[in-house]
Amino acid sequence: EVQLVESGGGLVQPGGSLRLSCAASGFTFSSYDMHWVRQATGKGLEWVSAIGTAGDPYYPGSVKGRFTISRENAKNSLYLQMNSLRAGDTAVYYCARASSGTRGGMDVWGQGTTVTVSS
Amino acid sequence: QSVLTQPPSVSEAPRQRVTISCSGSSSNIGNNAVNWYQQLPGKAPKLLIYYDDLLPSGVSDRFSGSKSGTSASLAISGLQSEDEADYYCAAWDDSLNGYVFGTGTKVTVL
Repeated sequence: EVQLVESGGGLVQPGGSLRLSCAASGFTFSSYDMHWVRQATGKGLEWVSAIGTAGDPYYPGSVKGRFTISRENAKNSLYLQMNSLRAGDTAVYYCARASSGTRGGMDVWGQGTTVTVSS
Repeated sequence: QSVLTQPPSVSEAPRQRVTISCSGSSSNIGNNAVNWYQQLPGKAPKLLIYYDDLLPSGVSDRFSGSKSGTSASLAISGLQSEDEADYYCAAWDDSLNGYVFGTGTKVTVL
C-alpha cells in the first residue's frame, strides 16, 4: 500500500525549532518529487516546500531562510527542519507525493502532524 | 494571500450541477497545469483533477475540470451529499517559483 506517515509535530515556543519527518512506503521514494503543505485551523491549504529527486529545494517567501527541506532516499524519508518558528507557523503539516514532477498534482498525502507555536 | 481566487462557497440541491471557478494569471494557470483537490471535513486533501482535466484512478466521472486562458473550473454533476467538502485549485507559479493553492471553496449540498 502506498503510504506517507508524518511525525515530529508538537508544541514549541516562538523562536524555537522542530524537525518533521515523513516516512514513505509502497513506492519508489527516490523517483518522486515531494512536498510539504500546511493548514492552519479553519484556513486554506498553504504550500510550504518542495524537493526534487535530485535534492533541489523550493520554498515560498514566508518560510525561506527559516525552513529547510531534505530527503534521505536510503531511508525513504522526507524531512522539514523548521527554525525561528512563529505563531503563524501553527498548523497541521502534510507531506505529499508529486505525481509527475514538482509542478504536477499531489496524488498521495499523509495524515498530517500538528505543530503548535506558543509560549 | 493566495494568487488563485475562488468563490468562498457554492451550494446546490442534490442531483444538480455546480461549477467552481479559479482565477489566476499568466504566471500560474496561464502557463502551467491546474490541479484540483477535495478535502472532506477532518481529512487530508485528495487529488481530484490533474493536468487541467484528467481524473486520477478511482475518482468519480461526476467530476470534471477545464481551463481557458488564466482561469480554470471544476464541475460536479449529479451532486451528492458526500460531495460536501472544501475544494482547492492549485498550480505552479513561474514568477514565485513555487506552488500556489487557491483560496478554497466550500460546497454545500442543500
